[in-house]
Amino acid sequence: LAKTTQPISMDSYEGQEVNITCSHNNIATNDYITWYQQFPSQGPRFIIQGYKTKVTNEVASLFIPADRKSSTLSLPRVSLSDTAVYYCLVGDLNTGGFKTIFGAGTRLFVKA
Amino acid sequence: GAVVSQHPSRVICKSGTSVKIECRSLDFQATTMFWYRQFPKKSLMLMATSNEGSKATYEQGVEKDKFLINHASLTLSTLTVTSAHPEDSSFYICSVTRGLIVQGNEQFFGPGTRLTVL
Repeated sequence: LAKTTQPISMDSYEGQEVNITCSHNNIATNDYITWYQQFPSQGPRFIIQGYKTKVTNEVASLFIPADRKSSTLSLPRVSLSDTAVYYCLVGDLNTGGFKTIFGAGTRLFVKA
Repeated sequence: GAVVSQHPSRVICKSGTSVKIECRSLDFQATTMFWYRQFPKKSLMLMATSNEGSKATYEQGVEKDKFLINHASLTLSTLTVTSAHPEDSSFYICSVTRGLIVQGNEQFFGPGTRLTVL
């Protein structure tokens, strides 16, 4: 079962800021939060990762509140090429190893 | 990020044949590789965790005798779909990681392999 909940889809316009929120109520102490982007017929691409507070890189920002039960991916000034599916993942310890489970993801559609 | 390759990128085969898909980590030695399957318009579904030098760990509902995984070296894992049938047609994606996810090391995904079984 996926441990994360995201909106199924979002629409935006070019140049706007897009915020995608992910709920992960059962996040464990050692879990990191990672966001990926996937275009059709391609493997997911790493966007950003964080543990708490705020993380920023050249493409996005990640906001994580103190309770870590949710996180928000912020994409500044989106373009048409940002149309993709965005996945929020949390690390998942499991007996014999570890794994990450993909949720349904959020389909972002950027319009001109 | 790390470079992960998959071969072939797409394959079409007849029902009943076996297909082998290779996943290579080109930048570092990957102790762990993951295999996912993705159907159209659906999310990635984890099939198995491939550990170098040991047996793969399969997710519930994934037949280990049908999806054979071999992680013979730190840079290569193979997924063999045995006796493939049309319902096995899907997009297969591998990923590699340097170590524990909890250490903040992200997974690096391959470009995927499109399998079509006629």
